Order: sequence, then structure tokens, then C-alpha cells
Amino acid sequence: DGGITQSPKYLFRKEGQNVTLSCEQNLNHDAMYWYRQDPGQGLRLIYYSQIVNDFQKGDIAEGYSVSREKKESFPLTVTSAQKNPTAFYLCASSASGTASSYEQYFGPGTRLTVT
Amino acid sequence: LAKTTQPISMDSYEGQEVNITCSHNNIATNDYITWYQQFPSQGPRFIIQGYKTKVTNEVASLFIPADRKSSTLSLPRVSLSDTAVYYCLVGDSNYQLIWGAGTKLIIKP
Repeated sequence: DGGITQSPKYLFRKEGQNVTLSCEQNLNHDAMYWYRQDPGQGLRLIYYSQIVNDFQKGDIAEGYSVSREKKESFPLTVTSAQKNPTAFYLCASSASGTASSYEQYFGPGTRLTVT
Repeated sequence: LAKTTQPISMDSYEGQEVNITCSHNNIATNDYITWYQQFPSQGPRFIIQGYKTKVTNEVASLFIPADRKSSTLSLPRVSLSDTAVYYCLVGDSNYQLIWGAGTKLIIKP
């Protein structure tokens, strides 16, 4: 089955610790994305990558970092600099091309709780 | 950047047709209109996408008037399992989608 996997589903960390969220896709998509969703809100773009070894900041990149060393993988690190990291994090991918990029496939999400 | 406005919530009953309208007055010439469905604690799921006039697939229809300043997602004969949040998105350039708060649709028996 093709799709996107995110692990773990739930993650708990102490304040001040960095944490890395995993995202893997086997859809052969060029573009990948990371979003953050807070309760009752829409999604906000953290980072996106159109191609391997390249990524761009989204609307709320401060306190986050990413890498794109492989086409299949786009891990997100939530650093201690992120002031309010507790949220639901969603990874997505899409085929290349402007219209195709609007059809994004999402993973199941990781719910991060920092105390 | 395009901005969308949609109702915060809607109620309907099983078997009815549901229409959710989205306003996007500042849509750009190259922008597409895309709708997603999201269940609690899950990632959004693509429903339908269009540029103008009408698009239909196996789950929904999308109506876009000539001026493209609004769009209407139509869900035929809804069931309880259609209870979800529905997002209207207008494509910005360079792969960025702008997500609003969505419309919470509640289907009653």
C-alpha cells in the first residue's frame, strides 16, 4: 500500500528538549510538507520541500528545523526554541506541478505534548 | 495572498444534500480551488479540486461561478459518517496552501 507514515502517534517530552518527528512516504512524490494544527484551528505550514536537498520556510518556521536527504523522508525537529510546541503535527506529500501540488496526501499525524 | 471565508458550522440530516459555500474574493488567475475533509485526530483527505464551472467525482461536486469569487461544495445524500470539518483552500503560488478554520459539518440521524 502506498501512503505516508508518521511516527510515533503520541509523543511526550520535557520542556527544553529537542524532539524529532518522523515522516516517510512511498508515493514517489517530489514535494513534502509539515503542518501544525492547534485545537479548533486550520493547518499552518511550517516547512515544505519541493525536491531533495532543498526546503523552504513556511509561515511558522521559527523553532523548527527539517532535512530532506532522501526523497522518501522529511523529518521535523522541534527545538527548545519553539515557545509553544504542544500541538498536532501533520506531514503531507504531493506530486510536482502547480495544480498537482494542491492535492496533498496526509499522514495520520503525531500529537506532541511538551510539559 | 488569497483568503477564504466559509461558515464555521452547519447541521443537516442523513439523506439530504449539503452545500457548503466558500468565499474567495481575491482569488488569482492561476489559483485552483481545493476542498479537504478532516476527521478528528486524522490528517485531512482530498475531496475535490476545480478551476472553473463544475467538477464532479464519486463523492462530491464543486460548483464555481464565472467570476470565481466563490465556490460551493455539494455532498449528495449525506450520512452520519460525513460528519467532519471541511476546508476550502485556494492555491497560492509555490506549493503553499492557505488553510482557514474550516466548516464543521454535523449530520444528524
